[in-house]
Amino acid sequence: KAGVTQTPRYLIKTRGQQVTLSCSPISGHRSVSWYQQTPGQGLQFLFEYFSETQRNKGNFPGRFSGRQFSNSRSEMNVSTLELGDSALYLCASSFGGALNTEAFFGQGTRLTVV
Amino acid sequence: GDSVTQMEGPVTLSEEAFLTINCTYTATGYPSLFWYVQYPGEGLQLLLKATKADDKGSNKGFEATYRKETTSFHLEKGSVQVSDSAVYFCALRLNQGGKLIFGQGTELSVKP
Repeated sequence: KAGVTQTPRYLIKTRGQQVTLSCSPISGHRSVSWYQQTPGQGLQFLFEYFSETQRNKGNFPGRFSGRQFSNSRSEMNVSTLELGDSALYLCASSFGGALNTEAFFGQGTRLTVV
Repeated sequence: GDSVTQMEGPVTLSEEAFLTINCTYTATGYPSLFWYVQYPGEGLQLLLKATKADDKGSNKGFEATYRKETTSFHLEKGSVQVSDSAVYFCALRLNQGGKLIFGQGTELSVKP
């Protein structure tokens, strides 16, 4: 079956702009999580959505937001971009988010802020 | 707070050498533990997992045992190949939400 699809793969934005990233989970998966990966901070959890509701949130400023649609597709939005937002953004989907459930990751969106 | 600590890399080995990547964790509850691998330009792939103490996860020749007494989940492989060159992440999950807490990653380079 198709894996987790993230679009676009690469983005270049200017400081102050906003950006929307998209994630299509594996069919049947209802949980979608977002992570930011940078060389300095590693992999950091942004938020998780389950059945269109945000279930968990990491320690990121309010400029980072997300949503999930009824078909489980998810979008992540970053407003007022800063240089430090340059990162690889990874989306992961899982069936239900249970403790031992495997999370399947997409290839990520590489965001560069200039 | 809850955290994962991995040995620092990069780790450079010759083909067929034995691999150990250390991982220890701090958690307030009883987590599930995971090893993920990231190849260049790719997302993360689950390598193996263990959900309770003394469980051993294994896949593709890699193994890790959930040690509650030492709060560790060290990754081992008896004979590495050049194709194992990648970054390896240890992670834990504490509750039903999707949140995974990752270690900083260990880069492995295997030379022929």
